[in-house]
Amino acid sequence: DAKTTQPNSMESNEEEPVHLPCNHSTISGTDYIHWYRQLPSQGPEYVIHGLTSNVNNRMASLAIAEDRKSSTLILHRATLRDAAVYYCILYNQGGKLIFGQGTELSVKP
Amino acid sequence: DTGVSQDPRHKITKRGQNVTFRCDPISEHNRLYWYRQTLGQGPEFLTYFQNEAQLEKSRLLSDRFSAERPKGSFSTLEIQRTEQGDSAMYLCASSARQGNEKLFFGSGTQLSVL
Repeated sequence: DAKTTQPNSMESNEEEPVHLPCNHSTISGTDYIHWYRQLPSQGPEYVIHGLTSNVNNRMASLAIAEDRKSSTLILHRATLRDAAVYYCILYNQGGKLIFGQGTELSVKP
Repeated sequence: DTGVSQDPRHKITKRGQNVTFRCDPISEHNRLYWYRQTLGQGPEFLTYFQNEAQLEKSRLLSDRFSAERPKGSFSTLEIQRTEQGDSAMYLCASSARQGNEKLFFGSGTQLSVL
């Protein structure tokens, strides 16, 4: 399974944008880039995914590098409820999600 | 609520006892996954089913662990002769079909082995 590398932790101020980076230099052509987040005492929650093009949804945006070896999850305006562990995962069709350590995001009021 | 449901939310048991957890996936989802998570770590894959067939089991899963999904609906995860190292959060997830679909997770069962 291809691996991802994320910073262990990041801090943000409330109502400011947050850019969460992820490196995946060994990504294959068929790997999708998925992001999940896990709030305290809850199961992981899907955030967004993409293959090659940038993606937007109501929760976040996903910016994918042209060579696909890195990506960035963008939260446009962080709120206190966005404090969570964010996981960047490479997912191949028919496979299973393999979680790494993720990035623990803290949001300061 | 039509999300993934897990029961019980918490389980405390003594070392050597058997425990069983239940997961009810979202009704039309044919894939069901079990994960285990310890404090400070990401979820670790255990096994998954497509309908009633168990398609993959992690090599990390000892013979004391068994999972079933009769009739392709709910699933149970049993741990026999529990050990203190089994203490963890056990998470269940489901998805609609194989492919690049997203997983929906339950809130998990927290197991404490004394």
